[in-house]
Parts: sequence; C-alpha cells; structure tokens
Amino acid sequence: DTAVSQTPKYLVTQMGNDKSIKCEQNLGHDTMYWYKQDSKKFLKIMFSYNNKELIINETVPNRFSPKSPDKAHLNLHINSLELGDSAVYFCASSQVPSKPGANVLTFGAGSRLTVL
Amino acid sequence: AQKITQTQPGMFVQEKEAVTLDCTYDTSDPSYGLFWYKQPSSGEMIFLIYQGSYDQQNATEGRYSLNFQKARKSANLVISASQLGDSAMYFCAMSPENTGNQFYFGTGTSLTVIP
Repeated sequence: DTAVSQTPKYLVTQMGNDKSIKCEQNLGHDTMYWYKQDSKKFLKIMFSYNNKELIINETVPNRFSPKSPDKAHLNLHINSLELGDSAVYFCASSQVPSKPGANVLTFGAGSRLTVL
Repeated sequence: AQKITQTQPGMFVQEKEAVTLDCTYDTSDPSYGLFWYKQPSSGEMIFLIYQGSYDQQNATEGRYSLNFQKARKSANLVISASQLGDSAMYFCAMSPENTGNQFYFGTGTSLTVIP
C-alpha cells in the first residue's frame, strides 16, 4: 500500500539513450512533482502538475518531458541522456493545503539514474 | 527571492542528547509553510514537521520540535533524546503560499549520532 511509488528504483544506461521513470500515488492528492537531487544532495524542483495541468516548469532542458495521464500518475521521459543527468529523481505529491503553505510533500523512494 | 539557508553541513551529537539544526529563510510572501525532512542513508525523504507562518505556537511532533522565530526568519529543528536511527541528512524547506505549491529546499545538514 505504498503511497507514492516510482519505478524503476535504479536505472543504468548509456549516453544518448531515452528512458522513462514512472510515478503513481494512491493518496488522492491533486498535485504531483518531479524533483532532482544531485550528487551534492541538493533538491531542485523540475515540474509540478495539478490535476493533469502543468503548473511549474523550472529551467529544465526540453529533453525532459513530463506526462500526466491522470491525476494519480506523473511520468518522466528523458531523451538523449547525458552524463550530467545522473542523479536521483524523486516523485512527490501533495494535497490542496488546509491552511496557507501547509502542502506537505509525500515523496516516493527515488529513482537513481546513472548515465555511462 | 525565496531562499533557505542551512549553515551546518555536518553535525555530531551524543546519543540521548538534544541537538539543534539551524535553518534561516528569506521570503517576501507573508504566508508560508516551513518544513523539515529527514533523508536516511537508504535515500527516502521522510516528512518530520510543519510550521505555518501564522501559527502562534511552535510545532512539535514527538521528539521533534521546530523553534520558529519569525522576526529572525529562523526555523530551527530541535531533536531531543537523540537515537542512533536519527543519523541522516536533514533538509529544511519553505513553501510560500503565492508560489503555486513551489517548495524551496536548503542544502541539508548531515547529522551523526555517536553511541
């Protein structure tokens, strides 16, 4: 009964390949996110979707394309992988906050992408 | 500009002692939430505690408490009676109300509990 599940947990691939990471949440949350955590542990938002609509799109190369078929799923597709894409990618979800700023993020376990 | 600062890259604490992890923030938004997350070596991100900017009292969750000083723009995490399982990275985060669910994370503090 995992709340936010993402697959695969580990992904090792060659430069230039295309790969996808899938994310599903069973919490009934309205908003889903993708975060990237680099080798220095810094967490940076990439995308945010609210009810399948893109609401945050940070400065991310257009090789990264999120897709939200429904509000419980947010997948991340990456084209033409580069060495610098190696990182841990976290999916997260949150509900409309009951009070200002109270949108607690629930994270998936992370997907470690290694580009060789 | 929104910013979260954690000035302690690494901290050590003796088991059963209390420890304070520092966090300062900067925002012009009058309404925001402050959060702490724990990331153990296994990698998952675990929500610990939340403080709203309009909350009058400091938040507490079991052994965790958030020392919120609004005028100083600080939101320090206090862990009481440290346990070996508390060894992890700790991230402070802020979510201003008017930024469309945007979260801003600090660079993290690595806490090591010594037996």
